[in-house]
Amino acid sequence: EDKVVQSPLSLVVHEGDTVTLNCSYEVTNFRSLLWYKQEKKAPTFLFMLTSSGIEKKSGRLSSILDKKELFSILNITATQTGDSAVYLCAVAGSNYKLTFGKGTLLTVNP
Amino acid sequence: DTAVSQTPKYLVTQMGNDKSIKCEQNLGHDTMYWYKQDSKKFLKIMFSYNNKELIINETVPNRFSPKSPDKAHLNLHINSLELGDSAVYFCASSLQGPNQPQHFGDGTRLSIL
Repeated sequence: EDKVVQSPLSLVVHEGDTVTLNCSYEVTNFRSLLWYKQEKKAPTFLFMLTSSGIEKKSGRLSSILDKKELFSILNITATQTGDSAVYLCAVAGSNYKLTFGKGTLLTVNP
Repeated sequence: DTAVSQTPKYLVTQMGNDKSIKCEQNLGHDTMYWYKQDSKKFLKIMFSYNNKELIINETVPNRFSPKSPDKAHLNLHINSLELGDSAVYFCASSLQGPNQPQHFGDGTRLSIL
C-alpha cells in the first residue's frame, strides 16, 4: 500500500522565521509528488515535482524532490501570519490514486 | 466563476437517512474524485472517475455510491447514514489523472445526529 509520511505534524514559529516541512513516501511506480496548502476550506495547489534535484520556487516558497531517498521538502522563508495553514503532501502512483500524508499544521505568530 | 462547486456546503441529518452531494466542474477536466477528510484533517480518496468511468473504488462501504452522468459532474449518494460518516467530503478534478494538479471544491460538511 502506498504511504506518505509528513513531519513534523505541527509547528509554531514567529513571523520572519524560515521553516522546512518534510515528506517521505513509499509508492509503487512513482509518477509525481504534489504539495497543497489548506486553510479553512479547499486545499490549493502549490507545487508538482517529478524530477529529482530541480527546485520549484514561487515567491517565498520552494520545494525539491529526492527520488533516490524518497522524500521532498517544502521551504518557506520569511514566514508571515498568512502562511498559517495545513500543508499537505501527496504522491501519485501507478493507478489513478493520489495518496495524501496527514499534513503539517503550521502556525505563524506575529 | 467557481471551478469546482459542491452542494450543499453543510448537511445535517439523522442516522439512517439517505443523502446526496453534488459536484460540478467547469474546467473541462477528464478526471474527478471524491475524498473524505476526517476530524484530524486526513484526506482519503474514496472514488475516482475518468471520463465518466469508475477508475478507483477504495475500501468504502457500498452504502456510498458515486454517479457520473457526464464528465463535468460527479455526485455522491449515501444510504443509511451512520455516525462515522460525519466528515468533510471534498470533490476534486484534474485534467487527466492524479499526475496533474487537482482542483478542489470547498467541501461539504456532513454531520450525523
